[in-house]
Amino acid sequence: DAGITQSPRHKVTETGTPVTLRCHQTENHRYMYWYRQDPGHGLRLIHYSYGVKDTDKGEVSDGYSVSRSKTEDFLLTLESATSSQTSVYFCAISERPGEQYFGPGTRLTVT
Amino acid sequence: QQQVKQSPQSLIVQKGGIPIINCAYENTAFDYFPWYQQFPGKGPALLIAIRPDVSEKKEGRFTISFNKSAKQFSLHIMDSQPGDSATYFCAASNTGTASKLTFGTGTRLQVTL
Repeated sequence: DAGITQSPRHKVTETGTPVTLRCHQTENHRYMYWYRQDPGHGLRLIHYSYGVKDTDKGEVSDGYSVSRSKTEDFLLTLESATSSQTSVYFCAISERPGEQYFGPGTRLTVT
Repeated sequence: QQQVKQSPQSLIVQKGGIPIINCAYENTAFDYFPWYQQFPGKGPALLIAIRPDVSEKKEGRFTISFNKSAKQFSLHIMDSQPGDSATYFCAASNTGTASKLTFGTGTRLQVTL
């Protein structure tokens, strides 16, 4: 998985609780991305980063925030988890335009 | 808004057959078209990619055909094997905008013996 780790790999949480997912890379790639994967929707971009402290919204950013204080770490936070945020979350990294490499994913269940 | 449309949703072929997966895009600013392969429980893996200045690209048993005027591209898997059974996603990117990828909805391929 191209030097990308995600933690936790599985999480069950209750509606209304905050949740933070972590993506860690050892490749020193500039770009980092958070996607969610749901049946029938493919992968949809939540947020992305083009450098330390530089982030922007993707197509499904409502209810999510991100932070990148170091090149290697990109955090995704659900401020108040809802059942609609039950999904598999993937982090990806990129250095060359268009070529993204994905982590192993985090399965999040919100009850 | 679905900017990359992928078909079929699922596909079953016999070993040795040539499955074809099709994608169509709308945004003419897209300039990079990758395909990803995903096995259950794993993250998507970059398989092969093409830029619009060529009409075909081959890597091993995988071929992308690209039709710029029709805004369509397709993945062909030659001599398919049971180990190719996976979900395949097409994607498109405007590499000038932080290389964000827009994905198709995926095709679940099953290769039978």
